Amino acid sequence: QQQVKQSPQSLIVQKGGISIINCAYENTAFDYFPWYQQFPGKGPALLIAIRPDVSEKKEGRFTISFNKSAKQFSLHIMDSQPGDSATYFCAALQGGSEKLVFGKGTKLTVNP
Amino acid sequence: NAGVTQTPKFQVLKTGQSMTLQCAQDMNHEYMSWYRQDPGMGLRLIHYSVGAGITDQGEVPNGYNVSRSTTEDFPLRLLSAAPSQTSVYFCASNEAWTGELFFGEGSRLTVL
Repeated sequence: QQQVKQSPQSLIVQKGGISIINCAYENTAFDYFPWYQQFPGKGPALLIAIRPDVSEKKEGRFTISFNKSAKQFSLHIMDSQPGDSATYFCAALQGGSEKLVFGKGTKLTVNP
Repeated sequence: NAGVTQTPKFQVLKTGQSMTLQCAQDMNHEYMSWYRQDPGMGLRLIHYSVGAGITDQGEVPNGYNVSRSTTEDFPLRLLSAAPSQTSVYFCASNEAWTGELFFGEGSRLTVL
């Protein structure tokens, strides 16, 4: 049973465009939603995270939008750059749990 | 600033052989975990530890053993390797009750 569903599996965007990756969850006990970025040959690294008490969080060109009623959250990359080309994972953590649940990942390619 | 260090980076095994993937962290994190990453499957939790002497199973524990004798080290043992264990393995550490995992650079294992 996949607890966090991520889409699309792959995404190609032109330089300067907006990249949007979506995730959905079922477990209403999740209370922390991070996004991880992974470059080829490297381990994932935390990019940005949100808690359900806010609907949006922005850090530079990266924004998380959170819709608690729909149980969905998304990552928006504004002005996408070739250096943003990587695999992105959404994840969710239940309060009091040690287990972070990951989506299956989205491979983003930003063409110059 | 080493962070999370994994060795070896690459390994080829024959079916039935055993080996240990090493993981060490220098951030004094209580939590450590092992994930495997396979194409289209995302990151799947194998085993995790919430402190020295305490380990528990994740989503895909079969065929793997772990132990945690010190805060710093969390080795992953394959007792009898199988081709289905061909994967990229990531070790991660984090502070208690946070979803900010710090990953190593991965160990690519091929089982023939």
